[in-house]
Amino acid sequence: DAGITQSPRHKVTETGTPVTLRCHQTENHRYMYWYRQDPGHGLRLIHYSYGVKDTDKGEVSDGYSVSRSKTEDFLLTLESATSSQTSVYFCAISTYRGGHGETQYFGPGTRLLVL
Amino acid sequence: RKEVEQDPGPFNVPEGATVAFNCTYSNSASQSFFWYRQDCRKEPKLLMSVYSSGNEDGRFTAQLNRASQYISLLIRDSKLSDSATYLCVVNRAGSQGNLIFGKGTKLSVKP
Repeated sequence: DAGITQSPRHKVTETGTPVTLRCHQTENHRYMYWYRQDPGHGLRLIHYSYGVKDTDKGEVSDGYSVSRSKTEDFLLTLESATSSQTSVYFCAISTYRGGHGETQYFGPGTRLLVL
Repeated sequence: RKEVEQDPGPFNVPEGATVAFNCTYSNSASQSFFWYRQDCRKEPKLLMSVYSSGNEDGRFTAQLNRASQYISLLIRDSKLSDSATYLCVVNRAGSQGNLIFGKGTKLSVKP
């Protein structure tokens, strides 16, 4: 258990509304990630953070922004939700595992439906 | 070649069977390799790392062939509880901590 929680766990919203998803971790990990998972696409990286106020884009960042004002919280915002952003969103942390480099542990996910 | 490619399955096997999953990756500079397991409507969970010399964890054996850029996972004596989707994962070379996930292979173990 990597001590990762996500909120909300489920959300239904309407097209055009802003939505913020929260990821919270309790173990002071430096790296945090936001992914979306869709049928036929697998997990795709949206944004990641390598420290407080340090973030970078992933492969599917359009329409999303992130913020990290504290080590423990990483927020994902959909500025104006669209139906194509209906997905399952996973947060992850990265931890160094000895000689085998970094690996990631995931939160329980948020299911978002945009109508 | 796609960055990480897996046979999507599904693999339908009886209890007790041995099943093998294969995965190929495109970037020869990748250094870290993993298998994750994902149950329906749950988050992915690390199953095991894959080492160059091959490694075993109980009924699970993982192997890496760097020359062919090929990773495998063997499950012996399959249990009903092994039913899940298995994700092949490779690090994105040159990018700290970033991982590339395959789309997964679905396994269904039947009584």
